[in-house]
Amino acid sequence: NAGVTQTPKFQVLKTGQSMTLQCAQDMNHEYMSWYRQDPGMGLRLIHYSVGAGITDQGEVPNGYNVSRSTTEDFPLRLLSAAPSQTSVYFCASSYGVTGHMNTEAFFGQGTRLTVV
Amino acid sequence: AQTVTQSQPEMSVQEAETVTLSCTYDTSESDYYLFWYKQPPSRQMILVIRQEAYKQQNATENRFSVNFQKAAKSFSLKISDSQLGDAAMYFCAYRSESDDKIIFGKGTRLHILP
Repeated sequence: NAGVTQTPKFQVLKTGQSMTLQCAQDMNHEYMSWYRQDPGMGLRLIHYSVGAGITDQGEVPNGYNVSRSTTEDFPLRLLSAAPSQTSVYFCASSYGVTGHMNTEAFFGQGTRLTVV
Repeated sequence: AQTVTQSQPEMSVQEAETVTLSCTYDTSESDYYLFWYKQPPSRQMILVIRQEAYKQQNATENRFSVNFQKAAKSFSLKISDSQLGDAAMYFCAYRSESDDKIIFGKGTRLHILP
């Protein structure tokens, strides 16, 4: 069982570079999301999706883009990396709340991103 | 907008003792879901326990139990017989029934003293 797969695990970028963090899940979950974790700030929601073709902003969306063309994949794009985007990024997926008993999120292993 | 507050950035407990981690949340919804997650140094996010707001009975999972007070919007986690492996960051999370999104508190780092 792969669960939620995030790549890469570590990345160093130069200011202004772009990159895509990949996230894939094999559990047929409707809901997928991206969080960033910074010391003392907990996990803050960047973007989320409740199904293919549907995305919405979380609390810290600036500087990040997402798309959801399939149920399985939810990539996060940094268009022009800034040092403020240095963080640990987590992808998570779950069933939607409607019609499901198990509503908890399953997480990837995280990506440690450093922007220099 | 919903918010989740964990007022204890760090806590310590003696091994084999009991500790309670606090969590409060703010919402205008009547149906929602609450969770506690554990994050050990490996960075992995592990579900500890979940509670549906429509259930009056407090959830329990072995040594972990919650005190869910819906009117007070409080959702504390009690860990009994604390073990060294319980040392971790603990996050409280809220899931909205209306828009599905899951939001987290800032976390409580729990130290277990041998």
